[in-house]
Order: sequence, then C-alpha cells, then structure tokens
Amino acid sequence: DQQVKQNSPSLSVQEGRISILNCDYTNSMFDYFLWYKKYPAEGPTFLISISSIKDKNEDGRFTVFLNKSAKHLSLHIVPSQPGDSAVYFCAANAGNNRKLIWGLGTSLAVNP
Amino acid sequence: NAGVTQTPKFQVLKTGQSMTLQCAQDMNHEYMSWYRQDPGMGLRLIHYSVGAGITDQGEVPNGYNVSRSTTEDFPLRLLSAAPSQTSVYFCASSPRPGEQYFGPGTRLTVT
Repeated sequence: DQQVKQNSPSLSVQEGRISILNCDYTNSMFDYFLWYKKYPAEGPTFLISISSIKDKNEDGRFTVFLNKSAKHLSLHIVPSQPGDSAVYFCAANAGNNRKLIWGLGTSLAVNP
Repeated sequence: NAGVTQTPKFQVLKTGQSMTLQCAQDMNHEYMSWYRQDPGMGLRLIHYSVGAGITDQGEVPNGYNVSRSTTEDFPLRLLSAAPSQTSVYFCASSPRPGEQYFGPGTRLTVT
C-alpha cells in the first residue's frame, strides 16, 4: 500500500514556464516532507523540505507547498530550466524516525 | 569531503555467486541505509543502521546481509545472487531525521 503517491509518472513543460509536481500521502503521522532530484546514473540529491508546522517553504526557484487537510504537497519550479530535467521523488517521515517513505517519482522534461 | 562513496559502479554476477557492495561515508553520520531502485518501483529500503554495531531490516531484506563495524562503512552482502536482484543499489547516510545523502549507485546485473 503506497503511503506516498506521485500520480503523474511524467511531466513536460516549456523552458521558462512553471513546473508543478504533486505528491499525496495517506499517513497522518508524517510530519516532515522532502523532495529529491535524480539525474540518470547518479544518486538522488536533496532538493527542499518542509515541516508539517509550515505550509510553504521557498529556496530560490523552488517552492514546496503543504496542505495538511488534503494530505497533499506540491513542488513548484519557477522558471523551469532544461537542467531541471530529472526524476523528482517525494518522501516523508514521522517523528525521529530516519526511515523515509518514498513515492515512485515523476520524470520532468523541460523543453528548450 | 568525499561524501558517500560506493564501489563498484558496475558488476555482473552469475546466479549463485556472492559479492559485497561497498559503501563508505566521511561525514560522521550515524544513520546509513541501503536501497534498491527498480523501474516503476521507486526506492525500496533493504537494510539500515542507526550506528556502529546496530543494523535492522527494511522492506526488502531477503537475500542480503549487512554489518556495521565502524561509523564510516556499511557493506551490503549478496549471499547467493539471483536474477531478481538485478537492480541499481544506492547507499545513503543521514545526519538527522529525513535528510539523506546518497552515493552514486552500483548497477548490478545477475545472469
């Protein structure tokens, strides 16, 4: 049973436009959410995170929004660049548990 | 800092062979873990360790062993390789709950 769901396997956007990647979760005990980015033949790299006490966290072109009532978070990339083309994973954990629960990923293609 | 390093990058094994995937980190992180990534399956946790001498199973531990004799090293052993273990393996270390640093991965093929 997938506790973290990324329902869009792929997304294609034009360079300069906004990319919105979505993630839903089912476990109300999750209190920390992260986005990772993965290029082919490399390990995932941490991108941005958000605690459940916040509803928004921003870092440069990347913003994560959390809607706890809907158990939904989204990653916004503005403006999108070709170098953002990668697989994006949503992950969550609860309390001091260091084990992350992962979504299946969304492959983003940013077209020049 | 080298971060998290993994060796080898690529490996081909025959069914029944054993081997050890090496993982090392130089960031003094207590928490380390092993994942496998298969198409359409995301990242699945194999084993993890919260410190030297302490290991525990993840969601797909069968066919794998781990040990943690030092903070730096966390090797993953395949006892008797099977084609179902063909995958990309990632090692990660973590300084705090949630955030993890990954190695570059080992691509394993079992024929």
